[in-house]
Amino acid sequence: DAGVTQSPTHLIKTRGQHVTLRCSPISGHKSVSWYQQVLGQGPQFIFQYYEKEERGRGNFPDRFSARQFPNYSSELNVNALLLGDSALYLCASSRSPGSTNEKLFFGSGTQLSVL
Amino acid sequence: AQSVTQPDIHITVSEGASLELRCNYSYGATPYLFWYVQSPGQGLQLLLKYFSGDTLVQGIKGFEAEFKRSQSSFNLRKPSVHWSDAAEYFCAVDEGSGGSQGNLIFGKGTKLSVKP
Repeated sequence: DAGVTQSPTHLIKTRGQHVTLRCSPISGHKSVSWYQQVLGQGPQFIFQYYEKEERGRGNFPDRFSARQFPNYSSELNVNALLLGDSALYLCASSRSPGSTNEKLFFGSGTQLSVL
Repeated sequence: AQSVTQPDIHITVSEGASLELRCNYSYGATPYLFWYVQSPGQGLQLLLKYFSGDTLVQGIKGFEAEFKRSQSSFNLRKPSVHWSDAAEYFCAVDEGSGGSQGNLIFGKGTKLSVKP
């Protein structure tokens, strides 16, 4: 079975542009979470979606938005890019939130560079 | 608010030596705690987790961690390090209720180097 897949793997944008990052969860997983990992830091939670509904949101500006589709894949959108948005964006999936037996699986991430 | 502190930014150990990576958390109730490993260019892989019960938790790749409530710590240990263990290690606590695991707060990580 395929793991969590993210596309693209690398992306270069300029300030002010918009970007869309994509994530396909493991088959059977209905929960997707997004994290931002700035170089030298731990991942920081952005969003969690479950069954197409937003379940949690981190401390990020409204320039960041996300959605989950009926097939449970997800998109993360960032508008008006800033240099500080340069980071590795990680997607993680699990069958469902709220269960202590669940395990979170991470993709390899999308490396976004804003010039 | 919950927080996680990993005091050591970079640790170097000799192959075959023992390892302990430190993690301290700040959380009012019983925490859900995790250790993840990240190799260069890779995503995060779960090593082990603690939800309740036995305070000594066994994980993959020969790692274990001990939850000490009195010290607010969840240190990761391995008795004998292999060169392939060189990576960055992250401690995390669950922000959501019921161990939702989708909303994790991570420490800044400890980079492990292994010398021959």
